[in-house]
Amino acid sequence: GENVEQHPSTLSVQEGDSAVIKCTYSDSASNYFPWYKQELGKGPQLIIDIRSNVGEKKDQRIAVTLNKTAKHFSLHITETQPEDSAVYFCAAISGGGADGLTFGKGTHLIIQP
Amino acid sequence: DTGVSQNPRHKITKRGQNVTFRCDPISEHNRLYWYRQTLGQGPEFLTYFQNEAQLEKSRLLSDRFSAERPKGSFSTLEIQRTEQGDSAMYLCASSSILSGGPRETQYFGPGTRLLVL
Repeated sequence: GENVEQHPSTLSVQEGDSAVIKCTYSDSASNYFPWYKQELGKGPQLIIDIRSNVGEKKDQRIAVTLNKTAKHFSLHITETQPEDSAVYFCAAISGGGADGLTFGKGTHLIIQP
Repeated sequence: DTGVSQNPRHKITKRGQNVTFRCDPISEHNRLYWYRQTLGQGPEFLTYFQNEAQLEKSRLLSDRFSAERPKGSFSTLEIQRTEQGDSAMYLCASSSILSGGPRETQYFGPGTRLLVL
């Protein structure tokens, strides 16, 4: 089955700086890669996603890049704000027919004022 | 609010008791998923339904766990003879393969936090 590795586990950045979170996946048939933001006591909230036929996608301050050859995808947040503080999860769906998402272990993003 | 809803939000039970959780998906979403999340980890897939049919079960879903979606709308997840290791957040998500959007996009509910004493 699919295996997703996520780094770093904790990331502290100054307000206004950029943050980058990286993930790798194992199943070359995986074709859909969402990113979720989870605040304390809440369920994961989808913030952006990308499909394997696209290399980059942007939505205001958030962007995701995908390198299919390296089986690697990254989340980029620019001009970070205090409300960006949360745990971020990357995920992938295996192309083997299973429709359950495989998640990374999460990155705790801390925005320092 | 038209998002995914889950009840109860919190449940405390004694080891050996049975518990049941409910999930109401986004209206007209025909796929419904259950995940389990333990502290400091990402959610882990348990099972999913397309309409009322349960199409896949993870090996994490022991025989003490059973899920139903009898009318293709809400779903229930029951855990029999609970163990302390069952303590976790149980998340429900829904998606649609009928809308114009991507079928894989899963929207999560707030979760039910279970504590087994």
